[in-house]
Amino acid sequence: QVQLQESGPGLVKPSQTLSLTCTVSGGSITSGNYYWNWIRQPAGKGLEWIGRIYTSGSTNYNPSLKSRVTISVDTSKNQFSLKLTSVTAADTAVYSCARDRTGTFFSMDVWGQGTTVTVSS
Amino acid sequence: QSALTQPPSASGSPGQSVTISCTGTSSDVGGYKYVSWYQQHPGKAPKLMIYEVSERPSGVPDRFSGSKSGNTASLTVSGLQAEDEADYYCSSYAGTNSVVFGGGTKLAVL
Repeated sequence: QVQLQESGPGLVKPSQTLSLTCTVSGGSITSGNYYWNWIRQPAGKGLEWIGRIYTSGSTNYNPSLKSRVTISVDTSKNQFSLKLTSVTAADTAVYSCARDRTGTFFSMDVWGQGTTVTVSS
Repeated sequence: QSALTQPPSASGSPGQSVTISCTGTSSDVGGYKYVSWYQQHPGKAPKLMIYEVSERPSGVPDRFSGSKSGNTASLTVSGLQAEDEADYYCSSYAGTNSVVFGGGTKLAVL
């Protein structure tokens, strides 16, 4: 049973870079044909897709965040990561990672529990 | 790319049926068969309940069903149970390798 776990700082200062990692356990990040996604949810609000990566390194990003987002993968560590630059209070949210199988067009069947990131000085 | 529109809340009594709508545009919901629905209990990770408009992953009760007409998708929960009380989110493929989510609907079982 594949499980995902997010990790990273819970507090980031405005204008700095938010960095999070998602560790995949119970299976290899390269096995099967999966995309690995980042999604966020501000308190009391809906879900927002940030972007995803395939293990080949190919990425897709939300157009509204594209200029500030980088998603990378480290297959040797079975992890993928998110960097979001120039953060503001509006980036405060629960950040989650999830997978979707190629051909399902974003049907995300495994999710991490999420990690709360607060942007504040 | 705008969020899909869902009613903020819905409710029903145990045993009843309730339908939650998810309205988009011809560029997302209306243009593709790739609508998914997720259930999220407080403090928990979202759970995939429906994919490709009406398909159920293994283990999801058949009380949950999905459909689509034009730019609006719907999730119907039949035979409501107390454990169905949760937030529900829809999502749709929006072209050019992107996805858009709905704002969520809080389902109350009265």
